[in-house]
Amino acid sequence: TQLLEQSPQFLSIQEGENLTVYCNSSSVFSSLQWYRQEPGEGPVLLVTVVTGGEVKKLKRLTFQFGDARKDSSLHITAAQPGDTGLYLCAGERGAQKLVFGQGTRLTINP
Amino acid sequence: DTGVSQDPRHKITKRGQNVTFRCDPISEHNRLYWYRQTLGQGPEFLTYFQNEAQLEKSRLLSDRFSAERPKGSFSTLEIQRTEQGDSAMYLCASSPQWGYTFGSGTRLTVV
Repeated sequence: TQLLEQSPQFLSIQEGENLTVYCNSSSVFSSLQWYRQEPGEGPVLLVTVVTGGEVKKLKRLTFQFGDARKDSSLHITAAQPGDTGLYLCAGERGAQKLVFGQGTRLTINP
Repeated sequence: DTGVSQDPRHKITKRGQNVTFRCDPISEHNRLYWYRQTLGQGPEFLTYFQNEAQLEKSRLLSDRFSAERPKGSFSTLEIQRTEQGDSAMYLCASSPQWGYTFGSGTRLTVV
């Protein structure tokens, strides 16, 4: 049973399009993190959201934490081929360990 | 500080052999985590240390797995009598209290 469900699992779009990735759970988390992972490498932290309803922006990426701190979304505007990769959400409980979603494999075609 | 370092990056072993991986965390980080990631999945928690104390172990960590962090600095993860199902990427992460930095992982292939 996956504690964090990410959707979609695979997404292939054209350069310049917008996209949203969702991360949903029935559990409450103290924080939620988004990572990006390249093949053969470890995950690299993009952002941490802590407060319910919080919105953070990182250039063309917008991250939102749900009001109840059970879900999150990642929105990418005007996607570029350099955005291609595996995007992982991870929920944290009590700063002791992360629970990861299964990931969204994103491909941006030139 | 060069971040979290893991060694080796790749390991191919025959079924039944023992393997040991090493993780060197960021020096001032007192928390150290091991995760396992299989193809097409997100990382799964294996175990966690605060300094030299192993505070939590996942049910995924069978009796064939053992992790140590003897001086609260580097950590080792040993797998005894490897099985094909152990093939995965083994990731180490360290944290000062909030925030995690992952290493590049050790890719284990059991043949």
